This record gives sequence, structure tokens and C-alpha cells, in this order.
Amino acid sequence: DAGVIQSPRHEVTEMGQEVTLRCKPISGHNSLFWYRQTMMRGLELLIYFNNNVPIDDSGMPEDRFSAKMPNASFSTLKIQPSEPRDSAVYFCASTPGGIRGYTFGSGTRLTVV
Amino acid sequence: AQSVTQPDIHITVSEGASLELRCNYSYGATPYLFWYVQSPGQGLQLLLKYFSGDTLVQGIKGFEAEFKRSQSSFNLRKPSVHWSDAAEYFCAVGASDMRFGAGTRLTVKP
Repeated sequence: DAGVIQSPRHEVTEMGQEVTLRCKPISGHNSLFWYRQTMMRGLELLIYFNNNVPIDDSGMPEDRFSAKMPNASFSTLKIQPSEPRDSAVYFCASTPGGIRGYTFGSGTRLTVV
Repeated sequence: AQSVTQPDIHITVSEGASLELRCNYSYGATPYLFWYVQSPGQGLQLLLKYFSGDTLVQGIKGFEAEFKRSQSSFNLRKPSVHWSDAAEYFCAVGASDMRFGAGTRLTVKP
């Protein structure tokens, strides 16, 4: 099992540009989560999906953020336009059932200059 | 609303010494509780979990945690710390929308 796969590992972009982060969950996991980690705010849940359907997006900070899960094996988190305060590490996680705990990807470190 | 508090931002212990990391939770019902470890530049790895049954749970890497409902606590322990345990440790609560504490950074002195 390759685990949760995120790409890219690092992204540096200029303010105002569109950024797309990608995640491939573990096969058979029916829930997927996007988290953002910063020194100031720690780990924040942005959005999560069950069976490809967004359940709770109350953590998405602004309309500039959007997430999709077109099928069970792929999800994207898009920021448009990006701003320097979006700089953070973004994690994707998946689980076959919440009580089993989540499996996290290695994260995407986003730097917006 | 569910939440987690980790009172200690940073802890330093000597290699071979015992370790206890504190976690307090707020949850309306029977909580699902977890401990994760994060090494620098890595994602989070699940150490152990509790949702029912025996209140002392064993995890990977020699860690254990004890659920105490009366104290709303779920502290992580290890009898003898190894240098490789230096990392950030996160307590979390919830199942469908897991919430994390702020983390405790563990430094291990030789």
C-alpha cells in the first residue's frame, strides 16, 4: 500500500496565482480530509468528504479556497487567488472509518511570495 | 463542540527517562481519542486510539495512554524514552471530523 499520496511536496508561487494541491487517498478509504498546519494556528480541518461528497466545509477560510473529489481516488484543493497568508503545510488524510484513525499524506508545503 | 488542550508546548526529557504528555478533551458524548506523532517534514502517524473498553491502551513504539473520564484526560506515557522519540505529538478527538490539540514538542537529551 503506497499510503496517502500528495503532490506536489513543495510549491512556491507568486501572490495572485492559482494553486492546486492534489491527493490520492488509500484505496477503500471512503472518507477524505484536508488539513492546514501553521505555527500560529496548528492543525485546522478545512473540509472533509464521505463517499466523494463534501460533508463539512466550515473550515475553509474564504471563498478563495475550494475542494473537489470527482471520484474515490482523487481530490484537489484549489486556492485562487493565492495570498502570502495562505503559506502553510497542507495535509490530506483518509480513513475507512473514523474510529480507526486517519492515515496522513506527507503534506504539501506551500509558499506564496 | 469537541476540543483538545495540550497544556505543554515543549517538554525536554533525558534519554532513558519516563515520559508523560498531557491531553485534556471536551466532548459531549463518549469521545474517540487519538495520539499522533509527527517527525520533522513528515505527516502524522497514528500511535494509538481509544473509543471504548479498557481505559489503558497500548500503541506502537512502546507508547501507552490512559483514558480518565473523571478528569477528561487522555495522557500519553512511555517508560523509557529513546532519542528517536524526539518529535511533535498531537492529541486528537472525534471520528468523522477529528480535531487536534496544538501539539507538544518533545526534545530528548543524550
